Amino acid sequence: LAKTTQPISMDSYEGQEVNITCSHNNIATNDYITWYQQFPSQGPRFIIQGYKTKVTNEVASLFIPADRKSSTLSLPRVSLSDTAVYYCLVSASDGQNFVFGPGTRLSVLP
Amino acid sequence: DAGVTQSPTHLIKTRGQQVTLRCSPISGHKSVSWYQQVLGQGPQFIFQYYEKEERGRGNFPDRFSARQFPNYSSELNVNALLLGDSALYLCASSLEWGFAYEQYFGPGTRLTVT
Repeated sequence: LAKTTQPISMDSYEGQEVNITCSHNNIATNDYITWYQQFPSQGPRFIIQGYKTKVTNEVASLFIPADRKSSTLSLPRVSLSDTAVYYCLVSASDGQNFVFGPGTRLSVLP
Repeated sequence: DAGVTQSPTHLIKTRGQQVTLRCSPISGHKSVSWYQQVLGQGPQFIFQYYEKEERGRGNFPDRFSARQFPNYSSELNVNALLLGDSALYLCASSLEWGFAYEQYFGPGTRLTVT
């Protein structure tokens, strides 16, 4: 299983763009990269998923360089409600495991 | 549409007892996964079931077992409870098997073992 490494915590201010980078040096050819968000006492919520290059949806963008050894989740203009833990996961589509690391605790300050 | 539901919400058990947690997936979802989340850590994968068959198992002892019913709902059973089993147990459903499909998580069951 490809192991992921993320910063333990990050601080930002309202209205700023936040970029969280995840390292996954041992990613396999058939692995996807997925990001989840979790608020206290709730289950994780899917944010975005990608395989290569750039993926964008209504809440975030995911940048994946050509070597796929890292990925960056970009949250545009964060608000206080974006304060949460963000998890980066790497898993094959037919994989039999789904490994959450400790995640990145994002604190958005007013 | 209703999301993933789990019952009970909270549960207190004594060491050595057995517990059964229940999960109802989103309508149309065929796959259910179970996770254990200890305070301050990320969720740890326990099982994934698809079409009533176990398709994946994490690194948990045999005290943990699960099953999926014809209506795709699922139960997680834990025998001989230990203090270390105290955690939030999360259920997630997805359309199909495998993790390329978005996982929809329920609110979890908070288990406290005393």
